[in-house]
Amino acid sequence: ETGVTQTPRHLVMGMTNKKSLKCEQHLGHNAMYWYKQSAKKPLELMFVYSLEERVENNSVPSRFSPECPNSSHLFLHLHTLQPEDSALYLCASSQDRGGAWDEQYFGPGTRLTVT
Amino acid sequence: GQQLNQSPQSMFIQEGEDVSMNCTSSSIFNTWLWYKQEPGEGPVLLIALYKAGELTSNGRLTAQFGITRKDSFLNISASIPSDVGIYFCAGQLRDSNYQLIWGAGTKLIIKP
Repeated sequence: ETGVTQTPRHLVMGMTNKKSLKCEQHLGHNAMYWYKQSAKKPLELMFVYSLEERVENNSVPSRFSPECPNSSHLFLHLHTLQPEDSALYLCASSQDRGGAWDEQYFGPGTRLTVT
Repeated sequence: GQQLNQSPQSMFIQEGEDVSMNCTSSSIFNTWLWYKQEPGEGPVLLIALYKAGELTSNGRLTAQFGITRKDSFLNISASIPSDVGIYFCAGQLRDSNYQLIWGAGTKLIIKP
């Protein structure tokens, strides 16, 4: 398997549920990202991990909790979400060369609907 | 926060026509990236630009890094049906922690 994979591809959850999104990259990269994509808006960066340490957190609500157990895997744990959190959640990876981060490669995304 | 102005927002063209879209900003960028996203998929990198004035091609696609480092454009020549999708620009600021700033996208629709 190549590139960046994400599971599940679609998720419907109630506001009281707890679920997790999974991302795996097979590119040998050392940086991984979570983005939120809403219709007709620029991609919103949520979290960045480099060498398994969180280096960026763009003021994301605490109902989103990331986890990066190793350089190939990234999770986004979800709990008590709101309907406005419905969106496409994209994972990406890139190579961090000591401060100069190369191009980002994206997975297919998880389409999340909060009911 | 920082913004990229991407235009046009959408384009309706005939097959075979050339397409041009651009991104502008008041900030200076070190890198410009152009991505394409098709329905149900994540963005796919098309072209990466690293130097002011750089002109790079990828098949029928050509992109340029503006001389002022504040803009970039993407051209598609002789469009075909599979060019349909949303095209995004993304820039890496000169004085940033290398976070990408994204445009809102240009939706390309080809009239039958």
